[in-house]
Amino acid sequence: QVQLQQWGAGLLKPSETLSLTCAVSGASFNNYYWTVIRQAPGKGLEWIGEITHSGFTNYNPSLESRVTISVDTSKSQFSLKLTSVTAADTAVYFCARGPTLLGPTRWAIDPWGQGTLVTVS
Amino acid sequence: EIVLTQSPGSLSLSPGERATLSCRANQDIGSAYLAWYQQRPGQAPRLLIYAASTRASGIPDTFSGSGSGTNFTLTITRLEPEDFAVYYCQQYGSSPWTFGRGTKVEVK
Repeated sequence: QVQLQQWGAGLLKPSETLSLTCAVSGASFNNYYWTVIRQAPGKGLEWIGEITHSGFTNYNPSLESRVTISVDTSKSQFSLKLTSVTAADTAVYFCARGPTLLGPTRWAIDPWGQGTLVTVS
Repeated sequence: EIVLTQSPGSLSLSPGERATLSCRANQDIGSAYLAWYQQRPGQAPRLLIYAASTRASGIPDTFSGSGSGTNFTLTITRLEPEDFAVYYCQQYGSSPWTFGRGTKVEVK
């Protein structure tokens, strides 16, 4: 069973860098897009970006100038960095497994990590 | 960017009733690239349906999806107490991948 465990600082000051690390267990790390999504309090879901084991990345243009997603295949981990945070970046950040790299591709996000609340204040 | 419009924004129903949720895209996204998620309060979203109509593993058959192109529907045939939640559609038709704003199914 695939599990995603995530961790990162929960309270940041404006202009600091948000860091989130996601560890994957129970799945072939090489076969999927690994995805980060966020949800502001009381709001909907916003896709931030994704990465493959080879380091291919795809970011949401609305955040691309501030986002870096990296991968450590030796640990089956991927990480998010979001620079110059403001109060608008306050949200629950989710790590998740995205679509498969190998066909047939299931175009969906499943499963999701438990989420990490990051507050910028 | 593909915009997904979900309607209604909220739905007040009683247990045992049928729920019909709509998701409309501003561009054709086919049928392979539309997924539905359920989010209960305080929890992460859970995949219900992918490829517009395929139930994810462990999802009861009271949940069904349909549609293609720009119009999609999630139907819950008989609402159970645990089905009262927020439902999101999401597209993988064109990057950036986007979500609808959600439909909240609440107890009447």
